[in-house]
Amino acid sequence: QVQLQESGPGLVKPSQTLSLTCTVSGASTSSAGYYWSWYRQHPGKGLEWIGYIYYDGTTYYNPSLKSRVSISLDTSKNQFSLELMSVTAADTAVYYCAAHFSTVPYNWGQGTLVTVSS
Amino acid sequence: DIVMTQSPDSLAVSLGERATINCKSSQSVLHSSNNKNYLAWYQQKPGQPPNLLIYWASTRESGVPDRFSGSGSGTDFTLTISSLQAEDVAVYYCQQYYSIPYTFGQGTNLEI
Repeated sequence: QVQLQESGPGLVKPSQTLSLTCTVSGASTSSAGYYWSWYRQHPGKGLEWIGYIYYDGTTYYNPSLKSRVSISLDTSKNQFSLELMSVTAADTAVYYCAAHFSTVPYNWGQGTLVTVSS
Repeated sequence: DIVMTQSPDSLAVSLGERATINCKSSQSVLHSSNNKNYLAWYQQKPGQPPNLLIYWASTRESGVPDRFSGSGSGTDFTLTISSLQAEDVAVYYCQQYYSIPYTFGQGTNLEI
């Protein structure tokens, strides 16, 4: 069973960069067939896909965020990371990492609330 | 982007009765190469992450009770809970993973 755990600051100032890491257990981030995704959920709202990184390092992002987002992979630590630049209050949300296998989004982390505020 | 529209937004069902939630996509999510519908259903309870119930539109995830079933193809899909239990109170989402960006329905709030 793949398990994922998000970590990172819970408070980020406006205009700064939000940085989160997802630590994976039960699977290797370098294994073929896995897509490592980030999602978010604004308070009381629905779900939004941010982007994913494939095991080979290929990335795909939501066009609505593409100019501000970067996802990277650290296979030596079995982690992947999210950076979201120039944040505003509209980026306040619960951020989830997830594992897709053969595109199916099987496993999700517990989520971490990130608040953008000065 | 593929727009996913769920109906109804909210649903109240008695214990032991059937609950039906619909999901319609603005484009087909059926891939002709493998005849699979790239459609998932999730259950989300307050303070918890989404829990995958169904994928490929009708395949039940391991450990999910068999009272949950998914059906449909192309652009129209249904999640059915055959006999509602108290623990099924939650918000339910459909998601297409056919094309980027992956998108979700707005959610259906299921109550007793």
